[in-house]
Order: sequence, then C-alpha cells, then structure tokens
Amino acid sequence: AQKITQTQPGMFVQEKEAVTLDCTYDTSDQSYGLFWYKQPSSGEMIFLIYQGSYDEQNATEGRYSLNFQKARKSANLVISASQLGDSAMYFCAMREGTDYKLSFGAGTTVTVRA
Amino acid sequence: DTAVSQTPKYLVTQMGNDKSIKCEQNLGHDTMYWYKQDSKKFLKIMFSYNNKELIINETVPNRFSPKSPDKAHLNLHINSLELGDSAVYFCASSQEVLTSTDTQYFGPGTRLTVL
Repeated sequence: AQKITQTQPGMFVQEKEAVTLDCTYDTSDQSYGLFWYKQPSSGEMIFLIYQGSYDEQNATEGRYSLNFQKARKSANLVISASQLGDSAMYFCAMREGTDYKLSFGAGTTVTVRA
Repeated sequence: DTAVSQTPKYLVTQMGNDKSIKCEQNLGHDTMYWYKQDSKKFLKIMFSYNNKELIINETVPNRFSPKSPDKAHLNLHINSLELGDSAVYFCASSQEVLTSTDTQYFGPGTRLTVL
C-alpha cells in the first residue's frame, strides 16, 4: 500500500501568492516523522521542513509551513509569497518509528509564473 | 562546504560494464543511504549503513553492492550494468538511526545512463 500520497502532479501559482501542496500518509505507528524536500531542475534534493507525529504545533521554516492534521493523516506544505525560484518538484516523505528509510510520495511539480 | 558529495555527477556507460559511485559526508553522521530515482521521479531506498554496518538491503539485484570503508563514506558498485539501471542515484546521510525525527540530507545525485 502507498504510504505517501501526493495527488497533485502539477500546479501553477502566481508570483507572490501562496500555494498549498497536498500530502496524505498511511501508518499504524504512533511515532513517525514527516518531511518535505524540494528538487529543482538542477536535480539536488533539498530538505525544507520536518513535522514530528508528537509535535503539537505546526512546523514553520521561513516561507514554508506545514499544515499537520493528524486525525486526517495529512501534512500539507504551504509556501507563502511564492518566488520564481520556488519552481521545482516537491516531495513529501515519511519515516516511521520502526523503520530506517524514508518513504516518498510521487511528487508535485510547482511552476511559479511572473 | 559540501555536506554530502557524490562523484561522478554524470556517468554514461555501456551495458555489461562495471561502475562505481562514491559518496562522502562531512556532517559527522552515523548513517548513510543510497536511493534510486527512476525516470518517473519516484524515489526508493536501496541500502543503508550505520557505522559501517549494513542495516537496510531492499530488494535490489545482487549486481549492486554497497561498501562503507568508514562511516563518512558509502560507495555503490554496480556489476554488469543493464539498461534498466539508468536512473539518478542519491546518497544521503543522517545523524541517528531508529529515530523518526532524524532528518536525511541528500547529495547532489549521480545520473547514470546505460547505453
């Protein structure tokens, strides 16, 4: 079964607007971590933000915030004030407490328009 | 200061050849990983080492053999390359194992093309 689901293959957003990238996850573990990575066209994988299953507050890192809804098993990434440099593929990933590896979603391509 | 580095960045080779990809991290992390990203951009774990010991070995063909000479290095050797091995291979590292909070940091990737 798919552990991470990203239902939006691609999105367009106007510069300076906010965009929300959806991510739902499936786990029976109580302890898990949720991560978002950015992959620009140059190919590297850049860590953006992390949310722990026990964290009561939503994580924020600069213009990135994570809308964590535990009961719904969703961990959506919000990018505020989009910039042209935000154009990239974004991956949601999960690490379960009993596992070592990251399980990735299929990714969402974001294109920021001027 | 590069945190996780990989060489080479691009690798083009013929079917049947043997090739290696090197990975080094200067973060002082104990755990290193190899991931494969296929043509559809899907990322999947291949191997993981913790302090030079193999801890993850997903269903990867025996032609792939990781080697960790020390905890800062994890190399990937591929024998008898096949067309289906063409992909981007990412090395990653993290501080601890068995912790869901542990963040993995990725290298720049190696794009392998098998002709």
